[in-house]
Amino acid sequence: DVKVTQSSRYLVKRTGEKVFLECVQDMDHENMFWYRQDPGLGLRLIYFSYDVKMKEKGDIPEGYSVSREKKERFSLILESASTNQTSMYLCASVISGSYEQYFGPGTRLTVT
Amino acid sequence: LAKTTQPISMDSYEGQEVNITCSHNNIATNDYITWYQQFPSQGPRFIIQGYKTKVTNEVASLFIPADRKSSTLSLPRVSLSDTAVYYCLVGDMWDNDMRFGAGTRLTVKP
Repeated sequence: DVKVTQSSRYLVKRTGEKVFLECVQDMDHENMFWYRQDPGLGLRLIYFSYDVKMKEKGDIPEGYSVSREKKERFSLILESASTNQTSMYLCASVISGSYEQYFGPGTRLTVT
Repeated sequence: LAKTTQPISMDSYEGQEVNITCSHNNIATNDYITWYQQFPSQGPRFIIQGYKTKVTNEVASLFIPADRKSSTLSLPRVSLSDTAVYYCLVGDMWDNDMRFGAGTRLTVKP
């Protein structure tokens, strides 16, 4: 069974703080994604990675960066958290050639 | 990017068949159609994927007409546990051309 884990289920940070969200998958998937989910907007793609040390911007990369130093781990970084980054953050992984993304449980981030 | 349109919400009763339609008028030749299910406090879960005609698995069927401008997810004999948000995705993921829509909230009543 594929497992995607995220470092925290709930996180509260202050405006201006640097925030790290970690995602780990255990199925040797090449591809990993970070989304944010907001009411009425569905899931929006922030960044994705097709391989170690490789990253591509999604639809809403502003204010975020990512790091993929190992195949199983994909980190999302909020350089200076702002209140409009309060959201649910979801990580996913998928094997190359498949459309079946496996999602983690999500991290609900609140920035005050 | 293929734009998708789904109903915001639907209600059904236990034991009924539920059909959720997604419109995607500008679907491209390389685009696939994928559906996900999401329960509260969980990440989305893959249900089914198709390109054309009909696809069936152990939980759902996906009907895609010849023009591929729409698709219908069919859930047979729903139960209370099928209450969730259902997302239609259309696009070519490997060309960075696939996006989630706003989803359809299905409520199954006893």
